[in-house]
Amino acid sequence: EVQVVDSGGGLVQPGGSLRLSCAASGFIFSNYAMSWVRQAPGKGLEWVSAISGSAGGIYYADSVKGRFTISRDNSKNTVYLQMNSLRAEDTAIYYCAKERGYFDYWGQGTLVTVSS
Amino acid sequence: EIVLTQSPGSLSLSPGERATLSCRASQSVRSSNLAWYQQKPGQAPRLLIYDALSRATGIPDRFSGSGSGTDFTLTISGLEPEDFAVYYCQQYGTSPRTFGQGTKVEIK
Repeated sequence: EVQVVDSGGGLVQPGGSLRLSCAASGFIFSNYAMSWVRQAPGKGLEWVSAISGSAGGIYYADSVKGRFTISRDNSKNTVYLQMNSLRAEDTAIYYCAKERGYFDYWGQGTLVTVSS
Repeated sequence: EIVLTQSPGSLSLSPGERATLSCRASQSVRSSNLAWYQQKPGQAPRLLIYDALSRATGIPDRFSGSGSGTDFTLTISGLEPEDFAVYYCQQYGTSPRTFGQGTKVEIK
């Protein structure tokens, strides 16, 4: 059974940093890209970042480029999202998802709140 | 980037009725790389349809997808009580991946 469990959210001040983690199981982790998708309160879905299975391909939305860094550790079946220079508009539930272009398995989400 | 526009914004229907949701792209979606998701309050999205018309694992056959190019449709034939939710389309033919703004299907 495929499982995706994201964690690491919390309350952080504007300009601060946070690292999200996503642990996956039930599939050959290194064979698949993984993505982060976020959802601001009461809003729709926004793709944030993706990383290929080998980490050779890394992609970011323009809204986070230069501030967020995605990485993965295939020995631990885990993906990370390092978020720096956080802004109020980054407040959202962040979901980790297994990607095949579409997102076939999602984590439960972790809430990031950027506020003073 | 490809902008996806979903219509209507909300739909008020009774159980047993047919729901027809539209997703229109600002430019042609390559290889019909379009997916549909269902999201209920407090839950993560769930994949329903990929490649415009293929049902994901475990999705009932009352959900069907159609379309190509710039116009896509999700049809729910015979709404069940658990189908009342928000539905999103997403394209993955061109980077960046983009989502529509969602259609809320409400109980009438």
